[in-house]
Amino acid sequence: SQTIHQWPATLVQPVGSPLSLECTVEGTSNPNLYWYRQAAGRGLQLLFYSVGIGQISSEVPQNLSASRPQDRQFILSSKKLLLSDSGFYLCAWKDYIEAFFGQGTRLTVV
Amino acid sequence: AQKVTQAQTEISVVEKEDVTLDCVYETRDTTYYLFWYKQPPSGELVFLIRRNSFDEQNEISGRYSWNFQKSTSSFNFTITASQVVDSAVYFCALSDQAGTALIFGKGTTLSVSS
Repeated sequence: SQTIHQWPATLVQPVGSPLSLECTVEGTSNPNLYWYRQAAGRGLQLLFYSVGIGQISSEVPQNLSASRPQDRQFILSSKKLLLSDSGFYLCAWKDYIEAFFGQGTRLTVV
Repeated sequence: AQKVTQAQTEISVVEKEDVTLDCVYETRDTTYYLFWYKQPPSGELVFLIRRNSFDEQNEISGRYSWNFQKSTSSFNFTITASQVVDSAVYFCALSDQAGTALIFGKGTTLSVSS
């Protein structure tokens, strides 16, 4: 069966520090992968999606970047975090018609 | 461009009341998929239903039912006899045929009190 792993579950980082969130998928190949952010009390904002290794589409220009070094690995990064980067980050993978989500990472930038 | 609108930001009901969550979507695709997800306080997204654009039959699953109407581009979700455990944020989402885009509405926060 397909599973998706996302870590860490919670993270507290100082302003200006780097960020690396990792997401891996098992049980499928060549999935579409997504990073979403949910700010406090707000909806899910699509940040990046990838349809293959090295292929990244950015939906919203911001302080973040994404990479897909392997077929089932999707990484969200930042060189210098801002206070506004705080939020709940969700990784997802999608087959032809259904999406599956990780447990999420709650990031607090202080 | 694709868009999903959930006009109701917050809804509060008392247990056993019926409640309908609205979802209106926009797309130029003829083939697309609509979803509903539940997000309990723990934060994870729980899949509830998927409907493709060619299937307009309403669906019922226990206390949950969904009404898909292409004529009004709506995919509404009704909870019958609501319970406290139904309290969560509910998201409606739209995917194109290729599956490259999965766009969510802003969510509706449902609070069910006893």
